[in-house]
Amino acid sequence: GNSVTQMEGPVTLSEEAFLTINCTYTATGYPSLFWYVQYPGEGLQLLLKATKADDKGSNKGFEATYRKETTSFHLEKGSVQVSDSAVYFCALYAGGTSYGKLTFGQGTILTVHP
Amino acid sequence: DTAVSQTPKYLVTQMGNDKSIKCEQNLGHDTMYWYKQDSKKFLKIMFSYNNKELIINETVPNRFSPKSPDKAHLNLHINSLELGDSAVYFCASTRAPNTEAFFGQGTRLTVV
Repeated sequence: GNSVTQMEGPVTLSEEAFLTINCTYTATGYPSLFWYVQYPGEGLQLLLKATKADDKGSNKGFEATYRKETTSFHLEKGSVQVSDSAVYFCALYAGGTSYGKLTFGQGTILTVHP
Repeated sequence: DTAVSQTPKYLVTQMGNDKSIKCEQNLGHDTMYWYKQDSKKFLKIMFSYNNKELIINETVPNRFSPKSPDKAHLNLHINSLELGDSAVYFCASTRAPNTEAFFGQGTRLTVV
């Protein structure tokens, strides 16, 4: 079946540090890949997405590149802010026999200190 | 103007009770979902409806029953609540499964 694996958290960084959250996936076919962010006390919201190999999704200074050869979609940001403290979820949609099902990774808690 | 709204936001109830959580979306989406998030933030899909038709029914106790009176609403009814049902339940909707999912703010259910 389809699956998403994220790096273990929690991750704690100082403001302006470089962020990488690793995400690898297993899926049949050519899935669409997503990063969602969950701020404290809120629901998830889409951060960025990529729908085919070598696509780069970007938003709010975050970037992730769809790497089919390594089945990865790592999230990066060059300089994090305190306001980036949240839970980050990598997800995929593969369709086919998994029609309608968005598969999430386990989430990575990020805390940024001033 | 909330795109996906859930009620109530907090729900505290005793074991054995029956409760419902309501969800409404005003985005005109065809597909709606229920997810359960545990204390470690892990998200598990429970159900999905497309145009009022059930398309995903994961391994969930049959004490949980979704109901979709129309494509803008997807409610979750839970019978005989157990301590292990304590979690945050999220409703979500999408225009199509491979497009952006919009989530409600969640319902924190605590069973005592």
